Amino acid sequence: ETGVTQTPRHLVMGMTNKKSLKCEQHLGHNAMYWYKQSAKKPLELMFVYNFKEQTENNSVPSRFSPECPNSSHLFLHLHTLQPEDSALYLCASSQVSGRSHEQYFGPGTRLTVT
Amino acid sequence: AQSVTQLGSHVSVSEGALVLLRCNYSSSVPPYLFWYVQYPNQGLQLLLKYTSAATLVKGINGFEAEFKKSETSFHLTKPSAHMSDAAEYFCAVSGLTGGGNKLTFGTGTQLKVEL
Repeated sequence: ETGVTQTPRHLVMGMTNKKSLKCEQHLGHNAMYWYKQSAKKPLELMFVYNFKEQTENNSVPSRFSPECPNSSHLFLHLHTLQPEDSALYLCASSQVSGRSHEQYFGPGTRLTVT
Repeated sequence: AQSVTQLGSHVSVSEGALVLLRCNYSSSVPPYLFWYVQYPNQGLQLLLKYTSAATLVKGINGFEAEFKKSETSFHLTKPSAHMSDAAEYFCAVSGLTGGGNKLTFGTGTQLKVEL
């Protein structure tokens, strides 16, 4: 595996379900990110993890719960979601050092809440 | 604080024609600037980046962008469009925060390439 991988690629869940999204980066980076991409809206940064520590939470509802057990893995635990949470959820990683500011993205998980 | 404005949410060009996607930025510090491309049902792929070296930056797939400080612009161009260039393009600016390299994205420009 190379780059950033995300599983599952598609997820349909009811409002009372609990599910988790998984992200894994194979780039040796030390920062990971969750973004939400909704139709006709700008890309929204949700969470930032730097060296496994959460350093940013952009007023995300508590029904989204991130977990970063190590620098290579990032999870997004979902529970009691709302239909407006349906979106493409993107994971990204980067190296926080020197001049490397670019982020590398996974393919995303298309989430549908019914 | 940083911000990015992409003029034109939709751009349509003929195959073989020049592609010009506009991006203007605002930054309180010297910016790092990026262009990403997103194909349907995929993540964002880095096209090119400006990191204060050469002002004309060449990227993948024949794209390039020129950093113009006086105009606070970082427009993306390609001399000759190909059908495979149809996608959504995002401009982004970086501001190093205490917790990672935060990117601020524009709202995106959907590029359509017609025969």
